[in-house]
Amino acid sequence: QKEVEQNSGPLSVPEGAIASLNCTYSDRVSQSFFWYRQYSGKSPELIMSIYSNGDKEDGRFTAQLNKASQYVSLLIRDSQPSDSATYLCAVIPNDYKLSFGAGTTVTVRA
Amino acid sequence: DAGVIQSPRHEVTEMGQEVTLRCKPISGHNSLFWYRQTMMRGLELLIYFNNNVPIDDSGMPEDRFSAKMPNASFSTLKIQPSEPRDSAVYFCASSRGQGLATNEKLFFGSGTQLSVL
Repeated sequence: QKEVEQNSGPLSVPEGAIASLNCTYSDRVSQSFFWYRQYSGKSPELIMSIYSNGDKEDGRFTAQLNKASQYVSLLIRDSQPSDSATYLCAVIPNDYKLSFGAGTTVTVRA
Repeated sequence: DAGVIQSPRHEVTEMGQEVTLRCKPISGHNSLFWYRQTMMRGLELLIYFNNNVPIDDSGMPEDRFSAKMPNASFSTLKIQPSEPRDSAVYFCASSRGQGLATNEKLFFGSGTQLSVL
């Protein structure tokens, strides 16, 4: 079983809609969870971090964490064409090793 | 700050040749990471340095791969001899603390696109 698994996509949503991205992780001791955005040909950039169960909102992005279910999600509200990218879920199972999922490619249709 | 600087941006080489990738972390950052990204395997951690010391190299695929960090501002990843299956994007990243504890942020360089023919 992979450490971090994401719905593979691609996910296509119309402009203005909500994009929902899901991620599960295998190591129960993981305490830190992240969402990175990677545009084609670019490096990953951190957009959200979450450490406690529940929701965390930052602008149009909401991260949701459920440690009991080992599940973390990202919602993108009012999706814009500029949100078209690959979104990587990442988990820290120990102090330093950031384990990434394979990513979900999102395309926002204008 | 200029961010994490990697060179070269693109490298095309022939099988069997030596390849050296370079990285300058953000000044003041104590941790440096080398990642490899491929379509098949995604982003994989190759090696982690803290205060210039290799802490975890379990991700280095084979003895053909080696990494050094002679000082706080420079690291290299070397592949000798290179093989076509080494073709990937290699990212260097750095962070301020001793790891990626709560609130630590990982900063990525622009990556090196390596093609081994």
